[in-house]
Amino acid sequence: QVELQESGPGLVKPSQTLSLTCTVSGASISSSPHFWTWIRQRPGKGLDWIGYIDYSGSTFYNPSLKSRLSISIDTSKNQFSLNLNSATAADTAVYYCAGERQKLIPNGFDIWGQGTMVTVSS
Amino acid sequence: SYVLTQPPSVSVAPGQTATITCVGNNIGSKSVHWYQQKPGQAPVLVLYGDSDRPSGIPERFSGSNSGNTATLAISRVEAGDEADYYCQVWDRSSYLRVFGGGSKLAVL
Repeated sequence: QVELQESGPGLVKPSQTLSLTCTVSGASISSSPHFWTWIRQRPGKGLDWIGYIDYSGSTFYNPSLKSRLSISIDTSKNQFSLNLNSATAADTAVYYCAGERQKLIPNGFDIWGQGTMVTVSS
Repeated sequence: SYVLTQPPSVSVAPGQTATITCVGNNIGSKSVHWYQQKPGQAPVLVLYGDSDRPSGIPERFSGSNSGNTATLAISRVEAGDEADYYCQVWDRSSYLRVFGGGSKLAVL
């Protein structure tokens, strides 16, 4: 059974970089048929897709965050990471890492981490 | 950008059938996925590809998709089905993944 676990600071100062890591267990990040994805949920709001990285390191980002966003992968550690720079209070959210299954076309997010709350505040 | 519209809330009595709609332009041409999110928990995929159920999801959950509306139906609703439900698609023209705003299902 594949499991995901987010880790990183729960508090980030405004203008600093929000950095999170997702550790994948139960499967190889390199061979699993998933796009490794970050999704966030602001307090009391819905789900926002942030972007993904595949096993080869190819990325695709939400245009609304693209200028501040970087997603990377470390296959040796079976991890992928998110860096969102110039953080503001609007980035305060629960951040989920997820796996999007690929079967000819994107086929839904079938694996989710438990989520981690990140607050941007001085 | 592509927009998915869901009703903010849906109410149903136990044992009845709940239907949650997801409206989008020509959504019938897309593959719709549905997620259940209970308070304080991560979302769970309950339907993919319009109507397929992942293993472990009860047969009470079903889906359809045609024209401008996709629908999640939950038959014989139980108290444990109370949750927020989100629809989601992949927009082929932009490659973006889009979520609906979510619908809160209340079991009366």
